[in-house]
Parts: sequence; structure tokens; C-alpha cells
Amino acid sequence: AQTVTQSQPEMSVQEAETVTLSCTYDTSENNYYLFWYKQPPSRQMILVIRQEAYKQQNATENRFSVNFQKAAKSFSLKISDSQLGDTAMYFCAFMKQRNYGQNFVFGPGTRLSVLP
Amino acid sequence: DSGVTQTPKHLITATGQRVTLRCSPRSGDLSVYWYQQSLDQGLQFLIQYYNGEERAKGNILERFSAQQFPDLHSELNLSSLELGDSALYFCASSALAGGSTDTQYFGPGTRLTVL
Repeated sequence: AQTVTQSQPEMSVQEAETVTLSCTYDTSENNYYLFWYKQPPSRQMILVIRQEAYKQQNATENRFSVNFQKAAKSFSLKISDSQLGDTAMYFCAFMKQRNYGQNFVFGPGTRLSVLP
Repeated sequence: DSGVTQTPKHLITATGQRVTLRCSPRSGDLSVYWYQQSLDQGLQFLIQYYNGEERAKGNILERFSAQQFPDLHSELNLSSLELGDSALYFCASSALAGGSTDTQYFGPGTRLTVL
């Protein structure tokens, strides 16, 4: 079974600075997908960024980028120019591609606080 | 606003009871997913339906069941409730049955409290 580990339960960063959240996973699959979801205090789950395992290029979405190291099974999220609205729980998620459906495995989350 | 709606927002009930949670997917989405988020278990995938049929199953208890109706809304039924079932239950929807570009959009969740 796949597992996802986020070793940092809590982190904080000053506004406008850069922070990196760690995620490692364990799988024997070769084709899979990785995601970062954000859950602000409103509890809504919001997709931040997605990475296909077969792509070597790291995904980027505006201020959010990932460092995907397939051999090391590592998928870290970098947030540049942190904003107060980035304060949230961040979940790393693994998805094994199936022909007939999806099955997400989420990490335990990292609580990020952006300080003014 | 993701476009996914869930009702009710909050539900308080007693042990042994049965409840039904409802989810309406985004317009045009064919897949519905159910998740349970509790303090000790984190976010757990329960089940996926695609166009009325079960597509993937996760850590769903036998006391729980779900279905997707012809209008594509879905219901999650929880029976013989236990204290440990208290959690936030999320529904998500996506356009297709899966795939790298098939993004899941989450609803606001239903908070279930079992007393």
C-alpha cells in the first residue's frame, strides 16, 4: 500500500519570504500522480499544484512550485513571496492511476502560518 | 466556491443512529468522491462513483454506503453510528473517471458529530 509522509506538522514563515514544505511517499508503482492541496480555516480543500510522475519537469503555478525527485520519492512544495492568505493546512497526496477510477492517499498535513 | 455543494453543513446525532449526507457535483462532472477527515485518521478516501457506478473503493466501513443517482448527485449513508464516526465528510467531483488532468474539486464538507 502507498503511504505519504509529511514530516513537518507545523511551520511558520514571514510574509514575503519563501518556505518549503516536505513530502515523501512510498510506492512500487511507476506511473502515478502527486498533488498538493491547501485547506484554509474555512476547511475548503483547494488544489494547489499537480505533478505527473512521468514528467521530469517540475510543475509551477504562479508562486507555487514543486521539487519532484522520483528516485528519492520526494515531492516538496515551495511557496515564494508568502502571503497572509497562504495560511492553511497543506496536504500532499498520491494517486495511483487506475483504469477504472482514482484512489487518493493523503499525508497527515503541515500547518503553515504566514506571519505579518 | 468550487461549485460542489454539500448538505447539511452540520449534523449532530446520537450513537446507533443513521444519517444521510448529500452532495451535488459541479455542473457537467460525472465523478463523485467521498472522503472522511478525522483528527486521528487524517483525510481518508472512502469511495468514488462515476456516472452512477462505483469506480473505486477506499477505507469505507461496511456500515457506510453510497450511491450516485441519475441526476449525478450522490448520497453517503452512515448507519449504526459510533463516536469515532465524528468527522468532517467531504465530497469532491471531477469531470471524468480519472486521469492526470481530471482535477477533483472539493465541496465545503459536512461536519458530523456523534454524541
